[in-house]
Amino acid sequence: LAKTTQPISMDSYEGQEVNITCSHNNIATNDYITWYQQFPSQGPRFIIQGYKTKVTNEVASLFIPADRKSSTLSLPRVSLSDTAVYYCLVGDGNTGFQKLVFGTGTRLLVSP
Amino acid sequence: GAVVSQHPSRVICKSGTSVKIECRSLDFQATTMFWYRQFPKKSLMLMATSNEGSKATYEQGVEKDKFLINHASLTLSTLTVTSAHPEDSSFYICSAQDSLVASYEQYFGPGTRLTVT
Repeated sequence: LAKTTQPISMDSYEGQEVNITCSHNNIATNDYITWYQQFPSQGPRFIIQGYKTKVTNEVASLFIPADRKSSTLSLPRVSLSDTAVYYCLVGDGNTGFQKLVFGTGTRLLVSP
Repeated sequence: GAVVSQHPSRVICKSGTSVKIECRSLDFQATTMFWYRQFPKKSLMLMATSNEGSKATYEQGVEKDKFLINHASLTLSTLTVTSAHPEDSSFYICSAQDSLVASYEQYFGPGTRLTVT
């Protein structure tokens, strides 16, 4: 499984756009990129997944360059409730993304 | 969306006793469930893959005789921490995918906080 690297922590203010970048230099052809959010003392929650270019849903956008060696999760206009840990994972689409290996995650702190 | 529940949410037990944690998929079937452990301010660590009707697959370094996993039905997996010790105190989380849907999303339970005194 490809290893991911992301910043340990980030700080932001309410209303700002937050971009969290994840490196996955050894990503394989069949791998997809998935982001999860985790609040303290809760299980992770799926945010978004993509293979290449750009994916957008009601919560976030995911930007993936052509070489797919990195990806950026974009959270528009964050609020205090977006304070959480965000995990970038790379999983094999051929296995149904079953086995997830979590990296260190990025601890996002949103201040008023 | 699909819901995964865990019971209990919190448990305190004495050293040397065993504790069972249940993981249920409430509105979908899951042939495979996963168990994770998370220490404070650390990431989730995959402990084992629970397979319905067969033996669980444990990750390297996880003692299968200490962490007993049973997946007796398509909606229930249990993790039993045997002869628990204070170092087993942690946050245990399970996850599952819907076996009947071609989806990539894994659903996580709310977690169980185990404290061994």
